Amino acid sequence: DAKTTQPPSMDCAEGRAANLPCNHSTISGNEYVYWYRQIHSQGPQYIIHGLKNNETNEMASLIITEDRKSSTLILPHATLRDTAVYYCILSGSARQLTFGSGTQLTVLP
Amino acid sequence: DTEVTQTPKHLVMGMTNKKSLKCEQHMGHRAMYWYKQKAKKPPELMFVYSYEKLSINESVPSRFSPECPNSSLLNLHLHALQPEDSALYLCASSSFGLAGSYEQYFGPGTRLTVT
Repeated sequence: DAKTTQPPSMDCAEGRAANLPCNHSTISGNEYVYWYRQIHSQGPQYIIHGLKNNETNEMASLIITEDRKSSTLILPHATLRDTAVYYCILSGSARQLTFGSGTQLTVLP
Repeated sequence: DTEVTQTPKHLVMGMTNKKSLKCEQHMGHRAMYWYKQKAKKPPELMFVYSYEKLSINESVPSRFSPECPNSSLLNLHLHALQPEDSALYLCASSSFGLAGSYEQYFGPGTRLTVT
């Protein structure tokens, strides 16, 4: 599976939207973009995934550029409990998740 | 029930011990996974089971032996581990959705310390 590039850390004020970018310029046509997060010392938690279209669920929105070379995870109203490491992962039919270094998001009061 | 449970939560074992980690899910998922996570590092895939058969082994040393006795259970048998095997061991499960479209549900992990 192709690799992703994420900033190592970001801060966000509580109540504001958190926009987490991810670059995946070598993405293949059959690869989905997945986002997981891991709160300290817990198991990773699935957030959202998409192939081409923008997606929204109760946790977040995923915006994928038309060329699919980058994406943005949006947490619309960040809370302190959203402080976590956020992983952007590409995965195809092999059902394997290869975690990169992720982005440490810190939500500030 | 969207929960993956893992036991024990913590395990301390000597290098000559034999122990097992247990993972259980009741979501009807037919794919189950073991990951290893060292401190301040991302999780690394170890094994994948599909329909109770081992489908992926990421070149894991033989001192780690996985077992999937049925569709709900996944074990990881440990023998003659080294101190560098100390890590958080995560179990996950997923369904078989459209190719490439699935989400994995993770358990809370077992924190293993090898002395």
